[in-house]
Amino acid sequence: DIQMTQSPSSLSASVGDRVTISCRSSQDINKFLNWYQQKPGKAPKLLICQVSSLQSGVPSRFSGSGSGTDFALTIGSLQPEDFATYFCQQSYTSPLTFGGGTKVEIK
Amino acid sequence: EVQLVESGGGLVQPGGSLRLSCVASGFTFKTYWMTWVRQPPGKGLEWVANINQDGTTKYSVDSVKGRFTISRDNVKNSLSLQMNSLRVEDTAIYYCARDFGIPGGWFDAWGQGILVTVSS
Repeated sequence: DIQMTQSPSSLSASVGDRVTISCRSSQDINKFLNWYQQKPGKAPKLLICQVSSLQSGVPSRFSGSGSGTDFALTIGSLQPEDFATYFCQQSYTSPLTFGGGTKVEIK
Repeated sequence: EVQLVESGGGLVQPGGSLRLSCVASGFTFKTYWMTWVRQPPGKGLEWVANINQDGTTKYSVDSVKGRFTISRDNVKNSLSLQMNSLRVEDTAIYYCARDFGIPGGWFDAWGQGILVTVSS
């Protein structure tokens, strides 16, 4: 199985900060890496698919980058509504696997 | 508007069975893969199983193989997950989601989730 490792597992940041979350896969997954945001008590929401394709309606302060085994989600200027948990997910092969999550908290 | 509504969750004893359903609306159900993802309380996401458009291709995580069966009814626009031989570790919120397949897919619409509790 492909292991997805996110870092950090949590971070504290202030409104306006630039935040980067890393995701590493245990083998090359090409460009098949997606990012989700989840708020407490809610279903996950797709932010970015295939490394860098922003979903419709997602603010442009979110961006994705990377290739092969190393990927990143960047929030350009953190807004109050961005405090949530973020998950990466590989869709290269079954079983599909998620990273452990990164909780973004208010500093 | 795309909508996915799960039902069928609840409390079941270890070794018991439960069948989850997910009814879809707002899109052409028969043209999409569909997936089940679960999340134990307070923990991360785990993909469970998915199924292609006509039900002929299915994938699942090893921990549910032989116990869970995914299926779909394209006339009723519904997705199902038959869960047998349930274990305490299957306790989770179960989400159905629209899927763009393997490889390269993503989950772009999710249901609200349904809680399954396995306990004696």
